[in-house]
Amino acid sequence: AQSVSQHNHHVILSEAASLELGCNYSYGGTVNLFWYVQYPGQHLQLLLKYFSGDPLVKGIKGFEAEFIKSKFSFNLRKPSVQWSDTAEYFCAVFNDYKLSFGAGTTVTVRA
Amino acid sequence: ETGVTQTPRHLVMGMTNKKSLKCEQHLGHNAMYWYKQSAKKPLELMFVYNFKEQTENNSVPSRFSPECPNSSHLFLHLHTLQPEDSALYLCASSYNRGQDGYTFGSGTRLTVV
Repeated sequence: AQSVSQHNHHVILSEAASLELGCNYSYGGTVNLFWYVQYPGQHLQLLLKYFSGDPLVKGIKGFEAEFIKSKFSFNLRKPSVQWSDTAEYFCAVFNDYKLSFGAGTTVTVRA
Repeated sequence: ETGVTQTPRHLVMGMTNKKSLKCEQHLGHNAMYWYKQSAKKPLELMFVYNFKEQTENNSVPSRFSPECPNSSHLFLHLHTLQPEDSALYLCASSYNRGQDGYTFGSGTRLTVV
């Protein structure tokens, strides 16, 4: 079964700081990779996704993620966060017709 | 709105009650899913329906009973739940088998007392 690990449970940072959230998965075959965001009281929204091609993918709201196949990683980054980026972030991996999620990372951005 | 609508948004029920959660999508998707979201745990896939046929039951206790009358509607019937079943229940839908990602509803916050 696929396992998805997110390294940080809670990240606290100030506005304009850079953000990097780690994500590793266990399955070594072909996978589709996703990052979802859940703002307080809202539904899960797709931030970005990777299927193939350029391992650096850009998503909405200035987020990007890098797929490193040799490390089974798909880390999320944003160069300069805003207070509105306060949310919970979930890494997800699709294989074997299932979408498996990590436990999520809560990001708190202080003004 | 995401195109996936869940009702009710909040539900409080006793352990002897019977209630149902409803999910509706108007995106033309053919697959629908139930997930359980508990604090600090990965989202747990409960059930998968593809073209209204159940294709996955992830060892879910029988006190949770899904129903998918068509590709646009999905229900989760609840009976004799336990307090540990309190969680956010998320419905999602997708094209095909979901390789392009899922679209999620806002969830039903369930509290079992």
